[in-house]
Amino acid sequence: KNQVEQSPQSLIILEGKNCTLQCNYTVSPFSNLRWYKQDTGRGPVSLTIMTFSENTKSNGRYTATLDADTKQSSLHITASQLSDSASYICVVHGGYNKLIFGAGTRLAVHP
Amino acid sequence: KAGVTQTPRYLIKTRGQQVTLSCSPISGHRSVSWYQQTPGQGLQFLFEYFSETQRNKGNFPGRFSGRQFSNSRSEMNVSTLELGDSALYLCASSLAEITGTYEQYFGPGTRLTVT
Repeated sequence: KNQVEQSPQSLIILEGKNCTLQCNYTVSPFSNLRWYKQDTGRGPVSLTIMTFSENTKSNGRYTATLDADTKQSSLHITASQLSDSASYICVVHGGYNKLIFGAGTRLAVHP
Repeated sequence: KAGVTQTPRYLIKTRGQQVTLSCSPISGHRSVSWYQQTPGQGLQFLFEYFSETQRNKGNFPGRFSGRQFSNSRSEMNVSTLELGDSALYLCASSLAEITGTYEQYFGPGTRLTVT
């Protein structure tokens, strides 16, 4: 069954600290994996897009990794800011008609 | 450059009615995808239109349909509304089909409430 599982479900960290969010998938075949940030009440915003051959991709303080062999991805946030408080969604594209979303990780950054 | 716009932003309908939502993509984008977001199911893919043709489709009943016009604007229609259709409906536009690696840009969504 094609699934995308994210952990943890929610996370609270202090401003300035780092954190890592996990995404495990069983989608096959694999086309690409995307991380999105969604602020409350707004549409998702793309952070990274990774294909099979890419291991790491950065976007400012956000760094995504991909291990296609173990079907795992992570999103690392460095030096968190209050504005990082949002839901982070992992999405796996598995070809035509196969677009699977994770349930998301809700991150709260406290001062 | 203007972003993705969706109208209306909020909508209240009664069970059994039908509804049409509109999405205007970023200028030059030819792909428009539609998504449903609910607290229980999260984000789910409805369908994608590219150059006026449906290219990809998620696992939703036939009550959910869409179309795309020659100017890339897209509409989504839901017929015979059910309480479970209450959700945030998001559209996203992209230069090319979602199976590629082009960025997708989401609109603010339309909040549909079915009573």
